[in-house]
Amino acid sequence: DAGVTQSPTHLIKTRGQQVTLRCSPKSGHDTVSWYQQALGQGPQFIFQYYEEEERQRGNFPDRFSGHQFPNYSSELNVNALLLGDSALYLCASSSLAGVPDTQYFGPGTRLTVL
Amino acid sequence: GIQVEQSPPDLILQEGANSTLRCNFSDSVNNLQWFHQNPWGQLINLFYIPSGTKQNGRLSATTVATERYSLLYISSSQTTDSGVYFCAVELMNTGFQKLVFGTGTRLLVSP
Repeated sequence: DAGVTQSPTHLIKTRGQQVTLRCSPKSGHDTVSWYQQALGQGPQFIFQYYEEEERQRGNFPDRFSGHQFPNYSSELNVNALLLGDSALYLCASSSLAGVPDTQYFGPGTRLTVL
Repeated sequence: GIQVEQSPPDLILQEGANSTLRCNFSDSVNNLQWFHQNPWGQLINLFYIPSGTKQNGRLSATTVATERYSLLYISSSQTTDSGVYFCAVELMNTGFQKLVFGTGTRLLVSP
């Protein structure tokens, strides 16, 4: 049973560029959430996708956008990168059955913006 | 929004020692999870514990939902227990599985 997978592992970009991060949820899960973790801080919720739609969004600008595919995998896109976007980006999967449940996290993508 | 505070912020232990980590939250929650983040950034699920007590090997956790706190107990600590421990909560009745993370406890276990 494969867990949550993310790609790439590491990424280096320059200011103003755009980046796409990818996530495949745990088998049997249909909901994907994205979190940003800056150095020395706890993860912060970016947004959540279910049935290919954004269901909830945290306090992040429109430069952060996403997509969910029919196979439940998801992408996080960040446009016009800023130095402050450097962080560990984590993907979590769960089963949105209206009942609180365990969320499982992937290994993360470490993004460095120069 | 909900506030999630963890204590202590830092903890240094000798191998074999026991410890208690605390998580306080300011509102009613549907879900509470404890995670261990290893040095490579991977968040490892320890417990899903919105209420009650659970044990898994050397680790155990207790959540008292009515008093809005949770405790994580680590017994006979090992160097591999080092890392950052986070509790994360999900607000009650939102219908969404959005986790709000605490401030973390950084644990260093020395041999």
